[in-house]
Amino acid sequence: AQSVTQPDIHITVSEGASLELRCNYSYGATPYLFWYVQSPGQGLQLLLKYFSGDTLVQGIKGFEAEFKRSQSSFNLRKPSVHWSDAAEYFCAVGQAAGNKLTFGGGTRVLVKP
Amino acid sequence: GAVVSQHPSRVICKSGTSVKIECRSLDFQATTMFWYRQFPKQSLMLMATSNEGSKATYEQGVEKDKFLINHASLTLSTLTVTSAHPEDSSFYICSAGTASPNYGYTFGSGTRLTVV
Repeated sequence: AQSVTQPDIHITVSEGASLELRCNYSYGATPYLFWYVQSPGQGLQLLLKYFSGDTLVQGIKGFEAEFKRSQSSFNLRKPSVHWSDAAEYFCAVGQAAGNKLTFGGGTRVLVKP
Repeated sequence: GAVVSQHPSRVICKSGTSVKIECRSLDFQATTMFWYRQFPKQSLMLMATSNEGSKATYEQGVEKDKFLINHASLTLSTLTVTSAHPEDSSFYICSAGTASPNYGYTFGSGTRLTVV
C-alpha cells in the first residue's frame, strides 16, 4: 500500500527567507506525486505534480519540487517566502492517472513578518 | 482548465435530516470522482470512489448506507449524508479524475457540514 509522510507538522519561517517542506513516500513503482496548498476553510489548490521526466518540477506561486527516487522523497521548496504563503501544505501520492490519492499529514507553515 | 465546482460551500442541518453535496467537473468529463473527508487540523481521508454509471467503491470503515454517492453523468457526482448526526460534521471535498494525467487531480472548494 502506498503511504506518505510529512515529518514536519509545523514550520515557522521569516518573510523573505527560503522554505523547504519534506515529503517521503512509500510506493513500489514510479509514483505520481503532488503538492497541494490549503488555506483555512478552503479547498485544495494544486501547486505542482510529477509523473515522469525532469525530476525538478516547477509549479505555481514560485514553488518547485524535486523527485529523488533514491531517497523516496519529493520535497517542496520556495526561495523567498511571502506572508501569503502561510497555509497548510499537503503532499500526496497516486498510482496512475485518474487514480485516488493518498495524502500526508500536512505541514502548517507560519510566516513571521 | 480542469475546474471542479462543489456546492454548497457551507450547510447547517438538523440531526436526523439528510444533506446533498454536489460536485461538478466544469470543463472536462470526469470518469472518476473521489470524495474525501477532512476533520479539523487533520489530513484528507478518502471516503469513496465513484465511476460514472456504476456503484461507488467505499473505503474500509465508511458506511455506504449513510454516505450515498451517485455519479449519474460524466460531469456530476453527488454525496448525500443521510440521517446526519453531529459526528458527521466535517469538511467534505471532492475531486475529479480522468485517465489522462493532464486532467484531474483538481479539487472542489469543499463543503463545511455542521449538524446541530
